[in-house]
Amino acid sequence: QVQLVQSGAELRKPGSSLKVSCKASGDTFRNYVFNWVRQAPGQGLEWMGRIIPIFNTPYYAQKFRGRLTISADESTRTTYMELTGLTSEDSATYFCARDDTVVTPLLWGLLYWGQGTRLTVSS
Amino acid sequence: EIVLTQSPGTLSLSPGERATVSCRASQRFSSNYLAWYQQKPGQAPRLLIYGASTRASGVPDRFSGSGSGTDFTLTISGLEPEDFAVYYCQQYGSSPPYNFGQGTKVELK
Repeated sequence: QVQLVQSGAELRKPGSSLKVSCKASGDTFRNYVFNWVRQAPGQGLEWMGRIIPIFNTPYYAQKFRGRLTISADESTRTTYMELTGLTSEDSATYFCARDDTVVTPLLWGLLYWGQGTRLTVSS
Repeated sequence: EIVLTQSPGTLSLSPGERATVSCRASQRFSSNYLAWYQQKPGQAPRLLIYGASTRASGVPDRFSGSGSGTDFTLTISGLEPEDFAVYYCQQYGSSPPYNFGQGTKVELK
């Protein structure tokens, strides 16, 4: 059974950084696309970026380039999302999510989701 | 970059009624890469539909998707109490960024 388990809630001060982990279990890690999505309180879903561990080449949404780093560690089956230069606008719940195209090649959608990590940015 | 615009923003309906949510893209793309999600308060989104019209495992058949090119539709035929939620479309699997629509809230009338 596939599970994505994220690290816990965080409180940060403006200007600081955040690193969230997402540990995957269940099956092959390196071939899947791991995505990061965030949701501000009362707002919609915002796609941030993705990484494919076997290639280790992340892609970032334009809005986050320069302060977002997504990485993957195959030895621990964990992906990471690091965001720097935090402001109150970054207060949100951050989700990791994965597709299932290795098993079902045409299943282009985020089938598995982590439980979310809530970030509060406040002085 | 493909921008997705959903309409309406809110649907106020009663149980048993049909819900129709539209998702319009700023440029054409393959329907293989259009997905729909349902999200309830305090929960992660749930994949409902992929490939514009294929239901994910365990999704009731009252949910259906259609469309191609730039216009896609999610239909819920006969709302059940558990269907009142927010619905998002997403372009996923073609070229990134994999943007979401802004969401449509289906609320109890």
